[in-house]
Amino acid sequence: EDQVTQSPEALRLQEGESSSLNCSYTVSGLRGLFWYRQDPGKGPEFLFTLYSAGEEKEKERLKATLTKKESFLHITAPKPEDSATYLCAVEPNTGNQFYFGTGTSLTVIP
Amino acid sequence: DAGVIQSPRHEVTEMGQEVTLRCKPISGHDYLFWYRQTMMRGLELLIYFNNNVPIDDSGMPEDRFSAKMPNASFSTLKIQPSEPRDSAVYFCASSRLRGGGYTFGSGTRLTVV
Repeated sequence: EDQVTQSPEALRLQEGESSSLNCSYTVSGLRGLFWYRQDPGKGPEFLFTLYSAGEEKEKERLKATLTKKESFLHITAPKPEDSATYLCAVEPNTGNQFYFGTGTSLTVIP
Repeated sequence: DAGVIQSPRHEVTEMGQEVTLRCKPISGHDYLFWYRQTMMRGLELLIYFNNNVPIDDSGMPEDRFSAKMPNASFSTLKIQPSEPRDSAVYFCASSRLRGGGYTFGSGTRLTVV
């Protein structure tokens, strides 16, 4: 069964304290893995697409990496404005479905 | 571009009433998706359209739910009759491609009492 699991559910960091969020997945074949950011009361905002193991993408303080079983979203020297829920989603290479994880709620304390 | 526009932002209705949610996708985006988000189940894909044609509605929970896309700039999601368990935030998203770089709207928060 196709599945996406994100950990931890919640993470509190001091400003400047780097950390990583995890997204593990089980799909028969991966077409793509996607990271989104969601602020309270808003829709998810697209961040990155990763297609193959070893691929990395960066945007400001965020870097996403992909292996055959999981993806990490590394946050370097976070700021309070990075506080949000980060969602991971996978698209299997068969069928029409697109699976979201339940997200990691990140709080960065000044 | 104004992005994906959804209306209303909030809807409170009584059980048994009909509810219609509306979405205007980004111009030029050939794919339109309807998602539902709850604390328990997260984001769930309900249905998606390609060039105004429904492609996969396997996520639509029951026959009480229906979706239409009469043209490239408008889609509706209708629930009739509504039930309290339908309470959730409903998102519309659009994209040029099938793969997941979607642009989401701000959502409609539906409360059925």
